[in-house]
Amino acid sequence: AQSVTQLDSQVPVFEEAPVELRCNYSSSVSVYLFWYVQYPNQGLQLLLKYLSGSTLVESINGFEAEFNKSQTSFHLRKPSVHISDTAEYFCAVSDSGNTGKLIFGQGTTLQVKP
Amino acid sequence: EAGVAQSPRYKIIEKRQSVAFWCNPISGHATLYWYQQILGQGPKLLIQFQNNGVVDDSQLPKDRFSAERLKGVDSTLKIQPAKLEDSAVYLCASSFAGGGGYGYTFGSGTRLTVV
Repeated sequence: AQSVTQLDSQVPVFEEAPVELRCNYSSSVSVYLFWYVQYPNQGLQLLLKYLSGSTLVESINGFEAEFNKSQTSFHLRKPSVHISDTAEYFCAVSDSGNTGKLIFGQGTTLQVKP
Repeated sequence: EAGVAQSPRYKIIEKRQSVAFWCNPISGHATLYWYQQILGQGPKLLIQFQNNGVVDDSQLPKDRFSAERLKGVDSTLKIQPAKLEDSAVYLCASSFAGGGGYGYTFGSGTRLTVV
C-alpha cells in the first residue's frame, strides 16, 4: 500500500519569493507521482507528474518537482511566486501498474502575500 | 474537449435523508472514479469503475453508499441515509484507461452539507 505525507499544512510566502512544498511518500512498488492544484471552489487540476525518465519535471507555469527515490520525496518548487499561485496543493502517488488509484496527501495551502 | 460534468454543485440535506450525485465523464474515458474530500483533507477514493464494472470499492461504506455506472458512461453515487460526517465534496474523475500514467481529469465536485 502507498501513502503520502505533505509536511506542511500551510506555507505563507511573499510575492516574488521562492517556495518549496514538501512531499514524502511510502511504497513497496514502483510509483508514479503527481502534484495537483485546487483553486477555491474548483476541481483538482494536474500541475505536473513523474512517470519515468528525467527525475526533474516542470509545469507550464514555472513550477518544478524532483523525484528523489533514495529519500522517497517529490518536493514542489517555484523560484518566484505570484499572487495567483495562492491555492491548495496536493501531492499524490499511484502504483505503476494498471489500477491507477491515486493516493493523496493532506494538502498544503500556499498563501502568497503582496 | 468537454470536461467531467457533475451535478448538483451544492446540496444541503438533513441527516437520515438520501441524496444522489451524478457524473458524466469525458467521452471515451473507460475509467471513472468517485472521491470524497472532507474539509482540510486530501481526496479519498470511494470507488473505481472500469467501463461498467467495479474495480475497487474497498473504501466505500456499503451500508449507506452505493454507486453504479450503467452502460459504462454516466455514473451516480447515492448516500442513504446520510450522516453528519458525510459532509464533504464529492469529486468525480475519469481517465482514458486504468493506470496512473494516463492521468485523471476531475470534475468541479458536489459540495454536500448534512445538517
